[in-house]
Amino acid sequence: KAGVTQTPRYLIKTRGQQVTLSCSPISGHRSVSWYQQTPGQGLQFLFEYFSETQRNKGNFPGRFSGRQFSNSRSEMNVSTLELGDSALYLCASSRGTGNTGELFFGEGSRLTVL
Amino acid sequence: DAKTTQPNSMESNEEEPVHLPCNHSTISGTDYIHWYRQLPSQGPEYVIHGLTSNVNNRMASLAIAEDRKSSTLILHRATLRDAAVYYCILRDGARGQNFVFGPGTRLSVLP
Repeated sequence: KAGVTQTPRYLIKTRGQQVTLSCSPISGHRSVSWYQQTPGQGLQFLFEYFSETQRNKGNFPGRFSGRQFSNSRSEMNVSTLELGDSALYLCASSRGTGNTGELFFGEGSRLTVL
Repeated sequence: DAKTTQPNSMESNEEEPVHLPCNHSTISGTDYIHWYRQLPSQGPEYVIHGLTSNVNNRMASLAIAEDRKSSTLILHRATLRDAAVYYCILRDGARGQNFVFGPGTRLSVLP
């Protein structure tokens, strides 16, 4: 069974640009959540999608957005990049949004903003 | 969100049991206790979760105090591959909240 796939794995952008990251969940999983991980702040929740609807949102500025498609694949977008957006962005999928579902994480997309 | 407190770091010798503590004194009745771990250069992976009773799986055991204000993740025989950051997280089962990761415990396993 294929795991959670995130693309691209590594990317470099400059300040002011925008970036789109992609996440393909495990087959049959309908919930996708996104996290930002930095050495200073640790793992921080960005947002969660279930059946193409955003269910929860973390405390991030509006430059961070996401969406989920009908096949459960998800994308997140960061506009007007800042140096502080350099981080590992992790996607996780689960069967549902209930508490019984464990999260399966991808290996992440490492973004460097110059 | 209910908070958890874990030691910053712990050390263990290979092939010995490891007990990783977690305090959650403000836990509510519908909060589940989840444990995840993150190996170097990887995303977090699920270890175990429970509500009130002790739980066992092939990776670990979870011992939950009777008052549920603390819990302990038990690795029965530590291996070098168990060196990771371990996160103890509470998640409200009734409200389906997102997972809030704290700093976790960095476990070092000595050969």
